[in-house]
Amino acid sequence: NAGVTQTPKFQVLKTGQSMTLQCAQDMNHNSMYWYRQDPGMGLRLIYYSASEGTTDKGEVPNGYNVSRLNKREFSLRLESAAPSQTSVYFCASSDMGQPNEKLFFGSGTQLSVL
Amino acid sequence: DQQVKQNSPSLSVQEGRISILNCDYTNSMFDYFLWYKKYPAEGPTFLISISSIKDKNEDGRFTVFLNKSAKHLSLHIVPSQPGDSAVYFCAASGTPSGGYNKLIFGAGTRLAVHP
Repeated sequence: NAGVTQTPKFQVLKTGQSMTLQCAQDMNHNSMYWYRQDPGMGLRLIYYSASEGTTDKGEVPNGYNVSRLNKREFSLRLESAAPSQTSVYFCASSDMGQPNEKLFFGSGTQLSVL
Repeated sequence: DQQVKQNSPSLSVQEGRISILNCDYTNSMFDYFLWYKKYPAEGPTFLISISSIKDKNEDGRFTVFLNKSAKHLSLHIVPSQPGDSAVYFCAASGTPSGGYNKLIFGAGTRLAVHP
């Protein structure tokens, strides 16, 4: 009963390096999201995908790109990491992307950029 | 400017007593509110929600109250248990745009329930 799976769980990067965070869900959900969590800031939406084949910017998209590879997978890429991107990243999914639906979250990726 | 505010970063409560977590919002267009619970090293999990057409929703030990005129909601946990120790996030949603679920989260309140 995996739900939403994120890899890796931890990552340390040097400034300027690139990496991709992977996310997969097995609940046949249409919508997927990437959030970042910073102290005192709550969870902020980076990008989302309302359905397979579509992606859109959230509140804090600068410095990130995403790919909705198929219905199950939604990846987040940092092309040139910066210390300001040190954060905990959460992937989430929901059935149809409606406001009264609950989100299902992965366990997170703790990223440090030195 | 934060649209959803949880002004208490932490709360400590004795086991068996009531825990009250508060949340304020500024945008009157929000019409759906949710609470998520987060344990360390885990992702948030949905706890309880309320629509703006209601002023109370109850689920077991958890009750959420909504005061639209004050733009305030609260989560009551009765009785509190040590397993309730976690970070609680308040979230609000408005009319969907483009068919997506845009939630605005508060900064969270860390609840510690002591035996």
